[in-house]
Amino acid sequence: AQTVTQSQPEMSVQEAETVTLSCTYDTSESDYYLFWYKQPPSRQMILVIRQEAYKQQNATENRFSVNFQKAAKSFSLKISDSQLGDAAMYFCAYRRGMYSGGGADGLTFGKGTHLIIQP
Amino acid sequence: NAGVTQTPKFQVLKTGQSMTLQCAQDMNHEYMSWYRQDPGMGLRLIHYSVGAGITDQGEVPNGYNVSRSTTEDFPLRLLSAAPSQTSVYFCASSRRGRNTEAFFGQGTRLTVV
Repeated sequence: AQTVTQSQPEMSVQEAETVTLSCTYDTSESDYYLFWYKQPPSRQMILVIRQEAYKQQNATENRFSVNFQKAAKSFSLKISDSQLGDAAMYFCAYRRGMYSGGGADGLTFGKGTHLIIQP
Repeated sequence: NAGVTQTPKFQVLKTGQSMTLQCAQDMNHEYMSWYRQDPGMGLRLIHYSVGAGITDQGEVPNGYNVSRSTTEDFPLRLLSAAPSQTSVYFCASSRRGRNTEAFFGQGTRLTVV
């Protein structure tokens, strides 16, 4: 079974600075996807960014980018120019791809990192 | 454009009571799933469905039943609530295919006393 580990229960960063959240995963599959979700106090799960394992190029969405190291099974999230609205819980998640027999069988989540933005 | 709708948003149950958490999606997604979120635990998969009439167990299925009679609805049933089922419950749906995104409902906070 796959596992996702987030080793930082809480991170703090000054507004406008850059912060990196760590995530490692364990899988024997070759086809899979990785995601970062944001959960603000409203409880809503919001997709921040996703990475397809087949793609070597790191995904980027505006101020959010990932460092995907497939051999090391590492998937960190970098937030540049941190803003107060970035304060939230961040979850790393894994999903098997269709070619690995997955897709419908849901996401495996890490335990989350609580990100605090200092004004 | 409702997306995934969960009802109720909050619920308090007494031990031994039964109830159904409702989940409906209007995006014609094939896949639906239920998760529970406990403090310090992230989200864990309870049950999932690949389409109407087909369901399967996730990581933590004990104490929960599901059925899926239509594409749109995927209710989660607690037959005899226990304090250990106090949690926040999320329903999600996604389209079948590669690189598809899971859409989540707003969650149901359930307290069993």
